[in-house]
Amino acid sequence: AQKITQTQPGMFVQEKEAVTLDCTYDTSDPSYGLFWYKQPSSGEMIFLIYQGSYDQQNATEGRYSLNFQKARKSANLVISASQLGDSAMYFCAMRETGRRALTFGSGTRLQVQP
Amino acid sequence: EAGVVQSPRYKIIEKKQPVAFWCNPISGHNTLYWYLQNLGQGPELLIRYENEEAVDDSQLPKDRFSAERLKGVDSTLKIQPAELGDSAVYLCASSPDSKRQETQYFGPGTRLLVL
Repeated sequence: AQKITQTQPGMFVQEKEAVTLDCTYDTSDPSYGLFWYKQPSSGEMIFLIYQGSYDQQNATEGRYSLNFQKARKSANLVISASQLGDSAMYFCAMRETGRRALTFGSGTRLQVQP
Repeated sequence: EAGVVQSPRYKIIEKKQPVAFWCNPISGHNTLYWYLQNLGQGPELLIRYENEEAVDDSQLPKDRFSAERLKGVDSTLKIQPAELGDSAVYLCASSPDSKRQETQYFGPGTRLLVL
């Protein structure tokens, strides 16, 4: 079974609008961390936001927020007020206890249109 | 603070040739990762180092891939001999010894093309 599932291969959004990128995960580990990374065409993976499984509140970092629904095992990324520079691939990833490496989803390509 | 440095950024070789990639992690980060990213997919772990010790290399194809991290700082990933299917991006990442978040910071990657 896929550990991280991103069902949206591509998304379009108008500049200045908000967009939600979906991510569901599968783990039996009670302690885990969820991450979102941005990968522009230049190739580097840029860390955006983190959510711990025991965190009571949804994580926020500037225009990024993580809609964490533990019972549904979803960790959707919300980008508010989209900018042209937000066009990139976005990856959801999970780290489980005892395995410090990240397991990544297949990514969502976001295109922001003027 | 300098980020993770990787070189070369691009490499084109013929199949059966050897190739090596170099990574310098963020200063003070004891954990170093090598990931493989195929086109259109997310990265997958090849090997993880804690200081100079390889603690997770279960996904490394050991018949042709090798890695080292002498002195627990820089690391080199080698492929010998390279095959057509090795064409991909090789990403290096590092993280501090934080037990909670352990955010991994990635380098720009090395894009390998095997002809």
